[in-house]
Amino acid sequence: KAGVTQTPRYLIKTRGQQVTLSCSPISGHRSVSWYQQTPGQGLQFLFEYFSETQRNKGNFPGRFSGRQFSNSRSEMNVSTLELGDSALYLCASSYRTSGTNYEQYFGPGTRLTVT
Amino acid sequence: GQQVMQIPQYQHVQEGEDFTTYCNSSTTLSNIQWYKQRPGGHPVFLIQLVKSGEVKKQKRLTFQFGEAKKNSSLHITATQTTDVGTYFCAAGANSKLTFGKGITLSVRP
Repeated sequence: KAGVTQTPRYLIKTRGQQVTLSCSPISGHRSVSWYQQTPGQGLQFLFEYFSETQRNKGNFPGRFSGRQFSNSRSEMNVSTLELGDSALYLCASSYRTSGTNYEQYFGPGTRLTVT
Repeated sequence: GQQVMQIPQYQHVQEGEDFTTYCNSSTTLSNIQWYKQRPGGHPVFLIQLVKSGEVKKQKRLTFQFGEAKKNSSLHITATQTTDVGTYFCAAGANSKLTFGKGITLSVRP
């Protein structure tokens, strides 16, 4: 099976702009999660979509939003970019192993730089 | 939410030495997962532990879930230079994972 793909891989934006990142999960996986990774804060959960519905949300401002399409592909959007939004944005595709236990497989990430 | 801690954040070993790192929580965890991230790469799923006292092995890597399900360990036997990277533990439910800060392992050849 093909792995998780993310586009674009690198992005440079200016403060105040908005950006859309895309993620295609592993075929058959219906859950897609997004994470922000920075040297200072580490890996932080943004949100998770399952069957086109946001199922979980982390503690990020409303400038961060996402959606999932019927084919499970997902996008995340960040509006009014700030310098602190510079990070590696990771998408993870998940499948349930049992109960509430999931295995997650990460994509290569999108490196966003805000200047 | 479930919080996990990994201390220290860095460890340096001589190639061939064994390495053990721990992941701790103040609350009972439903599961624990371990990931490895190579420099410049993305986290790669290694293992998931669900049962109290569970032990799983992957070649030179041994993972254990504590009896009280509040801690976990990763042990690498006879480290190699290919083991370098950052090892994260994570816990959560329904795909909402909370990650530890990770431990970055460097191996001196």
